[in-house]
Amino acid sequence: AQSVTQLDSHVSVSEGTPVLLRCNYSSSYSPSLFWYVQHPNKGLQLLLKYTSAATLVKGINGFEAEFKKSETSFHLTKPSAHMSDAAEYFCVVSERSNTGKLIFGQGTTLQVKP
Amino acid sequence: SAVISQKPSRDICQRGTSLTIQCQVDSQVTMMFWYRQQPGQSLTLIATANQGSEATYESGFVIDKFPISRPNLTFSTLTVSNMSPEDSSIYLCSAEGLNTGELFFGEGSRLTVL
Repeated sequence: AQSVTQLDSHVSVSEGTPVLLRCNYSSSYSPSLFWYVQHPNKGLQLLLKYTSAATLVKGINGFEAEFKKSETSFHLTKPSAHMSDAAEYFCVVSERSNTGKLIFGQGTTLQVKP
Repeated sequence: SAVISQKPSRDICQRGTSLTIQCQVDSQVTMMFWYRQQPGQSLTLIATANQGSEATYESGFVIDKFPISRPNLTFSTLTVSNMSPEDSSIYLCSAEGLNTGELFFGEGSRLTVL
């Protein structure tokens, strides 16, 4: 069975400093992994996805994530935080054969301080 | 990309009543799903909406409580039946893009049960 653990429920950074949101996964199969962002009172937006191509995945708004099979991790990073990055971030895993059945992590709230 | 519209966007309901949420996609999609996001929690898959047949429910969710319809490729409804305060949540519709396999989400329907 698949599962995903987001190691931090809340992360606070200053504007202009790097962002690191940590995610570990468990999967019996070669997983597809995603990061979604949810701004207050907004829908979910896909930031990036890994589907067994390059292990370093670049997404929108300057975010990227690296798939590390040996560590079963898929951490999300951004070199320089912007105030507009403040939101809830979800690490998500799915079986490759059933993309729509997603298992969501508990979410990490990113706070960006001026 | 697919744009998903949900109605209503929010509602306040009385205990014991039922509410139907509608989900309309602006383009052809393969699979459609319904998720629940309880206050302060992550998303949980309720069911897969199958066109022309009964939905496939996840563990802990049953058809009598959450009847789902999908009469065509781009439209689905979720009914929350005999509501109680514990049903207060955001209910999200999602759909898998026909060519991309990407999962798109609606903005959700925020339901408050008094």
